[in-house]
Amino acid sequence: DVVMTQSPLSLPVTLGQPASISCTSSQSLVHSDGNTYLHWFQQRPGQSPRRLIYKVSNRDSGVPDRFSGSGSGTDFTLKISRVEAEDVGVYYCIQGTHWPPWTFGQGTKVEIK
Amino acid sequence: QVQLVESGGGVVQPGGSLRLPCAASGFTFSTYGMHWVRQAPGKGLEWVAYIGYDGGNKYYADSVKGRFTISRDNSKNTLYLQMNSLRAEDTAVYYCVRGMYYMDVWGKGTTVTVSS
Repeated sequence: DVVMTQSPLSLPVTLGQPASISCTSSQSLVHSDGNTYLHWFQQRPGQSPRRLIYKVSNRDSGVPDRFSGSGSGTDFTLKISRVEAEDVGVYYCIQGTHWPPWTFGQGTKVEIK
Repeated sequence: QVQLVESGGGVVQPGGSLRLPCAASGFTFSTYGMHWVRQAPGKGLEWVAYIGYDGGNKYYADSVKGRFTISRDNSKNTLYLQMNSLRAEDTAVYYCVRGMYYMDVWGKGTTVTVSS
């Protein structure tokens, strides 16, 4: 099984400051079709997960451009350029390349200092 | 709009059974693979099961294999999760999720509590 490791697990951030979350996979997430199925999700308190970024760096519709994704192979990063109050929640990376099982990172809790 | 609505959750005793339906709308359900994903209280996300668009391929997490069955009725635009031999550790919010590779649409979830 592919193990997804996120860091940090807790991220206190000052409003208006940047934030960065790392996600590392135990093997390359490049699929035989050439795509890398690494996605980022946001889960606000009391809500279901919402996809922010798909295939490493593609923002979903309606996602603010302060969110960006990057990386390749086994190392990936989600960045928030300027954290706003509505960004509080838990962020997960998910791989859909090597399955079953589909596997998730442990989650990174973003909170305001 | 695209929507997934889970139902069927509740409180069940250990060893009991429950069936969770997920009603899909706003898209062509029969062309998408579907997942069930769960989240135990205060914990992260755990993939549970997947079914192909035509019901032909099914996969399960080791933690539920032999106890849970995923199925679908494309004529009713509905996904199901039959859960048998329930354990305390199955207590979670269960989400219905669209898309084999992309997991792009999630329902609001239904809560299952296994307790005596």
